[in-house]
Amino acid sequence: DAGVIQSPRHEVTEMGQEVTLRCKPISGHDYLFWYRQTMMRGLELLIYFNNNVPIDDSGMPEDRFSAKMPNASFSTLKIQPSEPRDSAVYFCASSPPGLAGLGYNEQFFGPGTRLTVL
Amino acid sequence: EDQVTQSPEALRLQEGESSSLNCSYTVSGLRGLFWYRQDPGKGPEFLFTLYSAGEEKEKERLKATLTKKESFLHITAPKPEDSATYLCAVQVHGGYQKVTFGTGTKLQVIP
Repeated sequence: DAGVIQSPRHEVTEMGQEVTLRCKPISGHDYLFWYRQTMMRGLELLIYFNNNVPIDDSGMPEDRFSAKMPNASFSTLKIQPSEPRDSAVYFCASSPPGLAGLGYNEQFFGPGTRLTVL
Repeated sequence: EDQVTQSPEALRLQEGESSSLNCSYTVSGLRGLFWYRQDPGKGPEFLFTLYSAGEEKEKERLKATLTKKESFLHITAPKPEDSATYLCAVQVHGGYQKVTFGTGTKLQVIP
């Protein structure tokens, strides 16, 4: 398996522009997570899906951020409009089915997208 | 609010010099604690899961332990290839698959 795939790997944009980050999870995994990592705040969970349904979006910073998972093999994180403070590395991760929602299955992370908003 | 604190922020060791990294947590009800390793420019990679106080897990030169308030990642006779940032994360009861990460300890092992 190729692992979790993210694109683009680097994105440089200007303030006010729309940014779309993409993720393809590992086949057979039914959980998908979006994280943001900065030096100041570390790795923060933004939102996660189970079977394509958003379960917890309490980490989404504001309405400028939105995430979708139209099918089991694709998810997007969109920022509109982007601001300089959104500059960070955004990670997508997936994990396999749990035991009726109990326990913890390790998360497999993608390589990340480094976003720079000027 | 669940809190995870890691110390030290950075650690520099000579090759072969054993040490420990600390992860202390304040949560409503711990379900599990996890350790990840992150290399520069890459995503975190899973190392261990610990579920109950007294539990220990080992992998090569790494051993993770858990108490009711904290976890330690012991590194025995480290090698330069152990250089990375080590992250711990906690999962609480009722949080399903949500985990909260600490800010990490950046370890550098010098030959």
